[in-house]
Amino acid sequence: GENVEQHPSTLSVQEGDSAVIKCTYSDSASNYFPWYKQELGKRPQLIIDIRSNVGEKKDQRIAVTLNKTAKHFSLHITETQPEDSAVYFCAASSAYSGAGSYQLTFGKGTKLSVIP
Amino acid sequence: ETGVTQTPRHLVMGMTNKKSLKCEQHLGHNAMYWYKQSAKKPLELMFVYSLEERVENNSVPSRFSPECPNSSHLFLHLHTLQPEDSALYLCASSQEEGSSYEQYFGPGTRLTVT
Repeated sequence: GENVEQHPSTLSVQEGDSAVIKCTYSDSASNYFPWYKQELGKRPQLIIDIRSNVGEKKDQRIAVTLNKTAKHFSLHITETQPEDSAVYFCAASSAYSGAGSYQLTFGKGTKLSVIP
Repeated sequence: ETGVTQTPRHLVMGMTNKKSLKCEQHLGHNAMYWYKQSAKKPLELMFVYSLEERVENNSVPSRFSPECPNSSHLFLHLHTLQPEDSALYLCASSQEEGSSYEQYFGPGTRLTVT
């Protein structure tokens, strides 16, 4: 099955700096890579996702890059703000379960702290 | 609360008890999931239902029994649990929309097994 490794486990940055979180996956058939943000005591929420036919996707201050050959993908947050402080999870999926469902394998998460 | 709701939010049960967790999605999605979230571990997929049919059971012990009576409701029946089953249990739902299969999570049920 799929295995997703995520680094670093914790990351502290100064407000305004950039943050980068990296993930690797094992299954070359994986073709969907979402990133979720989970604030303390709250539910995970999707912040950005990318399909394997795209190398990069950007949404305002966040971007995701995908290197299929190396089987890794990264989350980039620019101009970080205190409200970016949360745990970020990457995930990969190669298994389409039928009608609207994907089986996601998650990384262990990165706790990002943005210091004002 | 809209989107995906879960009840109860907190549950304490003994190892010999039987209880059920409930999830309801108000998004018109056709896939629903149960995840287990433990400290310092990744989110673990437990069960997937697509169009009310179970499509995946990731080697989950039989003391966890899911039920999906319709596309909006998902249950997780619990019996003779172990202390290591204490965790946050998250429900999610999804629907293909364009190139995204965003899974919308509920707030979770914090389960403590004593």
